[in-house]
Amino acid sequence: QVQLVESGGGLVKPGGSLRLSCEASGFALKDYPMNWIRQAPGKGLEWISYISGSGGTTFYADSVKGRFTISRDNAKNSLFLQMDSLRVEDTALYFCVRLRNFDSWGQGALVTVS
Amino acid sequence: DIVMTQTPLSSPVTLGQPASIVCRSSQSLEHSDGNTYLSWLHQRPGQPPRPLIYKISNRFSGVPDRFRGSGAGTYFTLQISRVEAEDVGVYYCAQATQFPWTFGQGTKVEI
Repeated sequence: QVQLVESGGGLVKPGGSLRLSCEASGFALKDYPMNWIRQAPGKGLEWISYISGSGGTTFYADSVKGRFTISRDNAKNSLFLQMDSLRVEDTALYFCVRLRNFDSWGQGALVTVS
Repeated sequence: DIVMTQTPLSSPVTLGQPASIVCRSSQSLEHSDGNTYLSWLHQRPGQPPRPLIYKISNRFSGVPDRFRGSGAGTYFTLQISRVEAEDVGVYYCAQATQFPWTFGQGTKVEI
């Protein structure tokens, strides 16, 4: 059974940093591109970052480019999102999501910047 | 960026009756590899989105066959043949043809 579990969310002041983790189980993470997608309170979905299976290719939304870094440790079946220079508008529930078909989602990690 | 526009944004429905959501993209979603990466997701309050449809018309495992996706190019639809109570929530279309991947604003379906 495919499972994605995010962790590392919390309350941080503007300008601060957080590192989100996503632990995958039920499949070999190395075989799948992964994404981070966020949802601000009461709002819609926003894709923010993609990483290829090998980790060699990454893409970012303009809203986070230069501040967020996506990475992965396939040996540990884990995906990460390093978030620096956080802003109030980064407050959201952050989901790790498998593939470009968005076929599997975690429950999300809440990040509050205030 | 490709803009995804959904209509309607709110859809009151009657149990047992059909419902339909339209999603338009500002550019064709046909990828150079021949695929069209248009997906549909359903989100109930307090839950993560649940994937329903990928590549226009393919249902994920476990998705009831009352959900049907169709379309091509820049015009796509999600149809529910007979709405059931569990179908309430917000529906999103999403494109993964061109970065940045983008979502529609969401359509709220309520009884």
